[in-house]
Amino acid sequence: GENVEQHPSTLSVQEGDSAVIKCTYSDSASNYFPWYKQELGKRPQLIIDIRSNVGEKKDQRIAVTLNKTAKHFSLHITETQPEDSAVYFCAASTSGSARQLTFGSGTQLTVLP
Amino acid sequence: DAGVIQSPRHEVTEMGQEVTLRCKPISGHNSLFWYRQTMMRGLELLIYFNNNVPIDDSGMPEDRFSAKMPNASFSTLKIQPSEPRDSAVYFCASSLLGPGDNSPLHFGNGTRLTVT
Repeated sequence: GENVEQHPSTLSVQEGDSAVIKCTYSDSASNYFPWYKQELGKRPQLIIDIRSNVGEKKDQRIAVTLNKTAKHFSLHITETQPEDSAVYFCAASTSGSARQLTFGSGTQLTVLP
Repeated sequence: DAGVIQSPRHEVTEMGQEVTLRCKPISGHNSLFWYRQTMMRGLELLIYFNNNVPIDDSGMPEDRFSAKMPNASFSTLKIQPSEPRDSAVYFCASSLLGPGDNSPLHFGNGTRLTVT
């Protein structure tokens, strides 16, 4: 089955700096890659997703890049703010949808004021 | 929309007792998922339903776990008998999946289960 590895497990950045979180996947048939943000004690919420027919997607300060050849995808957050502090999860699916997602282990991002 | 609604928010029970977790998906969604979250294993898919039918239950850890979806607006996850290692946060999520409709997962607020 699919295996998704996520790095780093913890990341601290100064407010205003950029943060990058990386994930690799094992199944070359994977074609849908969402990212979820989970604040302490709350539910995971989708922040951005990308499908395998595009290499990059942006939404304001957040971007995701996908390298299908290397089987890795990354989340980029620019101009970080304290409210960006949370656990971020990547995930992958071969179904092109939220069906049967395999999640990474999560990255605890701390933005220092 | 109120989103995915789960109950209870917290459950503390003794080993050996039966536990029932409840979920109401977003109206109009045709797929429902149960996930378990622990520090050691992260977010794991236990089972998912499509149009009230269980499609993949390969993530259900053992026979002590069972899930039902009697109608489009309600699902339960039952653990009988419960064990301390079942302690985790259990999330229910729903989505609208199908040709031309692939919404993301919408998670509920979770049930924090503690088995002593």
